[in-house]
Amino acid sequence: QSALTQPASVSGSPGQSITISCAGSSSDIGDYNYVSWYQQHPDKAPKLIIFEVTYRPSGISSRFSGSKSGNTASLTISGLQADDEADYYCISYTSRGTWLFGGGTKVTVL
Amino acid sequence: VELVESGGGLVQPGRSLRLSCAASGFTFDDYAMHWVRQAPGKGLEWVSGISWNSRQTGYAVSVKGRFTISRDNAKKSLFLQMNSLTVDDMALYYCVQGGPRYFDRFGPWGQGTLVTVAS
Repeated sequence: QSALTQPASVSGSPGQSITISCAGSSSDIGDYNYVSWYQQHPDKAPKLIIFEVTYRPSGISSRFSGSKSGNTASLTISGLQADDEADYYCISYTSRGTWLFGGGTKVTVL
Repeated sequence: VELVESGGGLVQPGRSLRLSCAASGFTFDDYAMHWVRQAPGKGLEWVSGISWNSRQTGYAVSVKGRFTISRDNAKKSLFLQMNSLTVDDMALYYCVQGGPRYFDRFGPWGQGTLVTVAS
């Protein structure tokens, strides 16, 4: 199984909104709502920011939102802040009983 | 919740290594558990998962047939037996709490244990 497809990098200015896509297939994203997003700062463990496509864990800013259309999930960060500069990963459950991560997207705040 | 991995280290290609994860702060046998790895400078890769009662396990294609996940609920511990290691297995291995159901979202992560494969 290949990794889910994410853009390698996305950038935006403070205050702007950016969207990161995560493309999968009918065997993962298209078939399940078990899609999560993680934020990872350098040398830190990943942090869950979205689960089951659209839900935010307690304590996560409402500036982070998730959605899904067909085989593609998306993460939108609104009101971009300097601390949002990090790597972001999507992950989906699959029909084979496994999990697939995306390749990761580096977000740069200009 | 605290997850503490151990067992990493330097190993030669073709050899074996067993990772352990000691869990505390939650009812261990209520949750699925997973191993996720990250090679230096690379992205995250799910390696393996196990349901709370060990009835369901899953493996990434890259490790299937070489790695075996197991758990000891009485000892609140998760394990990963890694055989026939290659340089591609070199990574930081994280122990990750799952949810009550095998397909639930992941919870807290440990800090990881580093596996280095080199001759």
